[in-house]
Amino acid sequence: QVQLVQSGAEVKTPGASVKVSCKASAYSFSNEYIHWVRQAPGQGFEWMGLVNPSNGATSYAEMFQGRVAMTRDTSTTTFYMDLSSLRPDDTAVYSCARGKIVGGMDVWGQGTTVTVSS
Amino acid sequence: QSALTQPASVSGSPGESITISCTGTSSDIGNYKYVSWYQQHPGRAPKLLISDVTKRPSGISNRFSGSKSGNTASLTISGLQAEDEADYFCSSYTTTTTFLVFGGGTKLTVL
Repeated sequence: QVQLVQSGAEVKTPGASVKVSCKASAYSFSNEYIHWVRQAPGQGFEWMGLVNPSNGATSYAEMFQGRVAMTRDTSTTTFYMDLSSLRPDDTAVYSCARGKIVGGMDVWGQGTTVTVSS
Repeated sequence: QSALTQPASVSGSPGESITISCTGTSSDIGNYKYVSWYQQHPGRAPKLLISDVTKRPSGISNRFSGSKSGNTASLTISGLQAEDEADYFCSSYTTTTTFLVFGGGTKLTVL
């Protein structure tokens, strides 16, 4: 069935970078955008950005500009989210989700817990 | 603090109807028809219930319905069932410093 499968949990020290992967399967890779969102403990979801799988174009939330990079590998139908200069308040569950450029996200990855701690 | 405001909790008995509100501003809900609602059970990925304010994806029960008035969107669940007990959150397109904003989530308890 259509699914997005993410990489496993990560523990990082402040200042480090993390790269989370999201492998898409069982649907036409190029037809749907991939959004990245995160949810810190006890908080609501926060949109980080999106990538257009057909051409790799990206759009990032202003608060992550300069610190995030979202890419895709068409040969392996895998998306990546790279977040640098990590801080303790980046501790969250990071999720990829499929959807239109606006509108609902109908398939979600299982989430990747990233813990930033010294 | 989330950009969209939802009640922290709501409750209802089996068979009843409940409504969850989601309040934003004219930069998001008030001027755009891109409100979505999601259901999330503990430890599970979110499930899309409603997109574009009122549209139900294939396979979603017609017990779930969405609406919007002014800066507030609403999700109504009719004929409450035990399996509806979950967290529900809203999202909307926005013209602020981001692209999508979310509500903080509402915990639904089925009594």
